[in-house]
Amino acid sequence: GESVGLHLPTLSVQEGDNSIINCAYSNSASDYFIWYKQESGKGPQFIIDIRSNMDKRQGQRVTVLLNKTVKHLSLQIAATQPGDSAVYFCAEAGGTSYGKLTFGQGTILTVHP
Amino acid sequence: NAGVMQNPRHLVRRRGQEARLRCSPMKGHSHVYWYRQLPEEGLKFMVYLQKENIIDESGMPKERFSAEFPKEGPSILRIQQVVRGDSAAYFCASSPPSQGGNTEAFFGQGTRLTVV
Repeated sequence: GESVGLHLPTLSVQEGDNSIINCAYSNSASDYFIWYKQESGKGPQFIIDIRSNMDKRQGQRVTVLLNKTVKHLSLQIAATQPGDSAVYFCAEAGGTSYGKLTFGQGTILTVHP
Repeated sequence: NAGVMQNPRHLVRRRGQEARLRCSPMKGHSHVYWYRQLPEEGLKFMVYLQKENIIDESGMPKERFSAEFPKEGPSILRIQQVVRGDSAAYFCASSPPSQGGNTEAFFGQGTRLTVV
């Protein structure tokens, strides 16, 4: 798969712990935000999204928080499992096409059994 | 319900050759996006196409790169006279038509291009 390990932020947690991954976005005009999970050799997989008229959204084991004042997005994963190990990207979009995304740097999450 | 299909999954080309990457969107999707991912980086937007139209190519290099999405068949990303710097993973995403175009895009598994 891609070599994404050397310069990306990393987060190591124990199985069962909660994980928090942070992201700063750049465009004040963005009104749609998504978190993606990317495993080695695979494409980005949608996790959860949030629109700018909300500040929190919950899914199964995941929560996304949006702070528009400081342009900050976070992903919380509850009871992290080894299968959650991957690179996590935030992405932002706006305007008329939510398929044109600007991706953040990415964070490597490693979950230890 | 097949997802976004990209082929080939891996492609090796010598410098100066042409690379053709194919993307079949999900059934019912008429919007296609191409992204490039270099090692240690996030995905970078290249081009947004609808059937027979290029909507936004602001991320495409000015030379050697082109994309199309014909009325019939897959979308094609074409790279002419490849150089080593073109080595990357190329991802395609698709989304369905909707009012205003505001809808989630789904990604394929990517084509990993290696230029030797």
